[in-house]
Amino acid sequence: AQKVTQAQTEISVVEKEDVTLDCVYETRDTTYYLFWYKQPPSGELVFLIRRNSFDEQNEISGRYSWNFQKSTSSFNFTITASQVVDSAVYFCALRGNYGQNFVFGPGTRLSVLP
Amino acid sequence: EAGVAQSPRYKIIEKRQSVAFWCNPISGHATLYWYQQILGQGPKLLIQFQNNGVVDDSQLPKDRFSAERLKGVDSTLKIQPAKLEDSAVYLCASSPTQGQGGTEAFFGQGTRLTVV
Repeated sequence: AQKVTQAQTEISVVEKEDVTLDCVYETRDTTYYLFWYKQPPSGELVFLIRRNSFDEQNEISGRYSWNFQKSTSSFNFTITASQVVDSAVYFCALRGNYGQNFVFGPGTRLSVLP
Repeated sequence: EAGVAQSPRYKIIEKRQSVAFWCNPISGHATLYWYQQILGQGPKLLIQFQNNGVVDDSQLPKDRFSAERLKGVDSTLKIQPAKLEDSAVYLCASSPTQGQGGTEAFFGQGTRLTVV
């Protein structure tokens, strides 16, 4: 069975601080994909980043970066120089190689204070 | 490109009544999902369609929930009769193909259901 855990329920930071959101996953698949989605108050889940299981190279995209460590089954997401507009609930999700459904974690509510 | 459309945005019904939600996925997307998101939790899959066939409905409470995808495009999710615990946001999502796990899903804004 697949499972995603996000231990941080809520995080508050002051604008311009860096913030890291933690994600730990469980799967028996050898090939899988990991995603981060953002859910602003409007309710729509917005895709942010993805990573496949056979590429552990960490990347930076604008103010977003991610750290994928297969050895610890973790896929952490960092926002650099946070902004008030980053305030939202962030979900980590796991998907198998054959397009099965997305398994979501419980989410982390991020509040960026001015 | 138009996104995933859902209606209605909000619905309030009394318990034991019935309700239906509609979803129009992104044009050309073969895979369609319905997720239930209870307040404070992550989305949970109810049903997954590939074109007009059901791929996974293992978590759908079939005694009260039903869903169909007409002609492999639009989809309707129905609850009959509704219970208080069905109060949640119902999210529809679509994805281009099933065979590509690395493809993200695109979500609609959801329907917020309140059962009183």
